[in-house]
Amino acid sequence: DTGVSQDPRHKITKRGQNVTFRCDPISEHNRLYWYRQTLGQGPEFLTYFQNEAQLEKSRLLSDRFSAERPKGSFSTLEIQRTEQGDSAMYLCASSLVGRANTEAFFGQGTRLTVV
Amino acid sequence: GDSVTQMEGPVTLSEEAFLTINCTYTATGYPSLFWYVQYPGEGLQLLLKATKADDKGSNKGFEATYRKETTSFHLEKGSVQVSDSAVYFCALSDGNNDMRFGAGTRLTVKP
Repeated sequence: DTGVSQDPRHKITKRGQNVTFRCDPISEHNRLYWYRQTLGQGPEFLTYFQNEAQLEKSRLLSDRFSAERPKGSFSTLEIQRTEQGDSAMYLCASSLVGRANTEAFFGQGTRLTVV
Repeated sequence: GDSVTQMEGPVTLSEEAFLTINCTYTATGYPSLFWYVQYPGEGLQLLLKATKADDKGSNKGFEATYRKETTSFHLEKGSVQVSDSAVYFCALSDGNNDMRFGAGTRLTVKP
């Protein structure tokens, strides 16, 4: 396994368009997290999944944002009607929680630029 | 709510200098504490962690001790190298998976 992978690495979109990002976690990890990171700031928690269940959503996750993890493996994060303020790095992380716990492993992120 | 405050950067040091990056936290419970590092063009990587008071995390010559009395988790390294140049993030987790990160401290080490 090569770790957490995210696609695309970069996305430039016009304001008002919809975008979708994909995250493939480490295969045996049951938890998957989405974070947003803006320039000069640390990552901010958006949401996380335990297997296919979305267990927590931050207030940062407005109605325009939706995340899914349909089969408990990969996850998608969709942003509808993008705004310039959505420009950021979107980070995905995964971890194993249960009999053996691991720390969160992060992907390289998807950098979104809304023009 | 729980939060992390870390030393503002950027920090510029000469090779072999001593490094300290301060981190303090606010939490209602007993969180686990972490330092993550982000090298240029790469994702965040766990550098070290401590799960209870007085624990010392260490890795690659970096150390941090979980100090409950001062609510701190300062990162130290006795002799930095050019390859240590990166952004360092202090973070806490209260076990509810809402990991909180500091704003990050950019370290540049010059030869």
